[in-house]
Amino acid sequence: SQTIHQWPATLVQPVGSPLSLECTVEGTSNPNLYWYRQAAGRGLQLLFYSVGIGQISSEVPQNLSASRPQDRQFILSSKKLLLSDSGFYLCAWSPTGTLINEQFFGPGTRLTVL
Amino acid sequence: KQEVTQIPAALSVPEGENLVLNCSFTDSAIYNLQWFRQDPGKGLTSLLLIQSSQREQTSGRLNASLDKSSGRSTLYIAASQPGDSATYLCAVRSDYKLSFGAGTTVTVRA
Repeated sequence: SQTIHQWPATLVQPVGSPLSLECTVEGTSNPNLYWYRQAAGRGLQLLFYSVGIGQISSEVPQNLSASRPQDRQFILSSKKLLLSDSGFYLCAWSPTGTLINEQFFGPGTRLTVL
Repeated sequence: KQEVTQIPAALSVPEGENLVLNCSFTDSAIYNLQWFRQDPGKGLTSLLLIQSSQREQTSGRLNASLDKSSGRSTLYIAASQPGDSATYLCAVRSDYKLSFGAGTTVTVRA
């Protein structure tokens, strides 16, 4: 069966510091991968998605970036965090092929920027 | 742009009562609709996926209906239990991405 992992589970970072969140998927090959953010009082917002290694599409212009160095690894980064980057970050995957397949979510990372 | 609305925002019922959660969307040109459950501080658990060609989908005590032409979906949870307390999210897929509603927070009182 497929499993999705995210770490760290929680993170407290000062404004201006760098960020690296990691997501890995087990039990499948060439998944589609997604990063979402859930801010307090707001719905989930798609940040990035990837259909393959090195292929990243950005949905929202911001100071965040994503990379996919390996087939089942998806990384969310920032060089300098802003207060507005606080939120709950969720990684998701869907089976390879069409992007309209069912999506499965990881446990999330709670990021607080102070 | 797809807009997804969930009503009510919060719901409190006694144990054993049936739950009815509503989801509406503005663009009926969808591929599918997915219902999720989210416990506090946790990720999303997929409950049901309804393809655009389907009218309903069932899993145990859960039943979801889809009326694509009117832009509506309803999630029914039969004989609610305290363990059903959570936030339920509806998400619609119009293209490659999901558009989420804000969710309905359900409390089932023992």
